[in-house]
Amino acid sequence: GDSVTQMEGPVTLSEEAFLTINCTYTATGYPSLFWYVQYPGEGLQLLLKATKADDKGSNKGFEATYRKETTSFHLEKGSVQVSDSAVYFCALSGGSGGGADGLTFGKGTHLIIQP
Amino acid sequence: EPEVTQTPSHQVTQMGQEVILRCVPISNHLYFYWYRQILGQKVEFLVSFYNNEISEKSEIFDDQFSVERPDGSNFTLKIRSTKLEDSAMYFCASIHPATPPAYGYTFGSGTRLTVV
Repeated sequence: GDSVTQMEGPVTLSEEAFLTINCTYTATGYPSLFWYVQYPGEGLQLLLKATKADDKGSNKGFEATYRKETTSFHLEKGSVQVSDSAVYFCALSGGSGGGADGLTFGKGTHLIIQP
Repeated sequence: EPEVTQTPSHQVTQMGQEVILRCVPISNHLYFYWYRQILGQKVEFLVSFYNNEISEKSEIFDDQFSVERPDGSNFTLKIRSTKLEDSAMYFCASIHPATPPAYGYTFGSGTRLTVV
């Protein structure tokens, strides 16, 4: 079945550092790819998405490019802030692991930004 | 901005007891989902629900689990006889029928279920 693998956390960075959170996937067909973020005490929020190969999703300074050749969707941000501290989930839809219309998630990466 | 609301935020129950987790999806959404995340593990799909019936379920969603939409606004997940391994964060999600899944789902903030 489909699967998503993302780097283990926690990831601890200083403010203004460059961020990369790796995500790779295995899926049949042509899935859509997502990054969700969960701030403390809140629900999962869609951060960005990409629906086809070479698409770049971006939001709030975060970016991720759908790389079909490497089956990857790495999350990047040039300069992180303390307010970016959260758990980040890579996910895909359109595959077989999350039901016909559900999502397949990675384990999540806890990001901690220190002032 | 419309939200998916889940209650309670944290529930502790004794092993073998029945538990009902509640969700109020966004009012004009018609597709509903339950996911769970066991501590330290990935978020897992449990079930999807449309038009008052289950449209798809995972292997996790066995006979101990059931879902219903009793009154047109609430969407509930019932676990009949809880086990220790049911301890997890349970997320509800919904999506509008006109919104392709590729455009994302709206999730609630989750219910942390602890079975003791």
